[in-house]
Amino acid sequence: GAGVSQSPRYKVTKRGQDVALRCDPISGHVSLYWYRQALGQGPEFLTYFNYEAQQDKSGLPNDRFSAERPEGSISTLTIQRTEQRDSAMYRCASSLARAGVPGELFFGEGSRLTVL
Amino acid sequence: AQSVTQLDSQVPVFEEAPVELRCNYSSSVSVYLFWYVQYPNQGLQLLLKYLSGSTLVKGINGFEAEFNKSQTSFHLRKPSVHISDTAEYFCAVSDRVKLTGGGNKLTFGTGTQLKVEL
Repeated sequence: GAGVSQSPRYKVTKRGQDVALRCDPISGHVSLYWYRQALGQGPEFLTYFNYEAQQDKSGLPNDRFSAERPEGSISTLTIQRTEQRDSAMYRCASSLARAGVPGELFFGEGSRLTVL
Repeated sequence: AQSVTQLDSQVPVFEEAPVELRCNYSSSVSVYLFWYVQYPNQGLQLLLKYLSGSTLVKGINGFEAEFNKSQTSFHLRKPSVHISDTAEYFCAVSDRVKLTGGGNKLTFGTGTQLKVEL
């Protein structure tokens, strides 16, 4: 597609349920990032991939959060046993990266998660 | 670790007036600096970036920003705003040293809501 696509755009779930958020990056983009944005805050880094390799997961808040990008394209962020504090906008971004050069991040419209 | 401070959460301004959105950063290493804009119900879009060279950088939609190393600031300016500039603006930094394999992990500020009024 023309841009970064995220689904679902809105997800309402009950506490304790698992959720999976999907990101389809711009074709050919090597790097893929996940950010979380709470209301009134800036995006907060969660994790990123180069191709299928997860390079940095230091921002994942705890072991309920995981991400994968098995074929180096589409990525899934999974939150297990959701809690109310997980409610936020989850943003995905991709980049046509070159080593040592900060490529522009192209963001999707985000997935808004509400945990009741 | 880096941090970014955007002192103004909201900035109201009349159309055709100049505007400055403030950004200060803290880092123990050299950084790259960015401004992103977020229009309602859209993703963040890169406005401009400072990588090296001239400290005055120009971006899209007539915006510019000046990197001031001594004051650790990267304020965003526009000489004459338009209604369509109403949006949320985020300042961000990334660590030059840790930039390997093309990774560009950003630390964002809390954002400034620019509201342009007639």
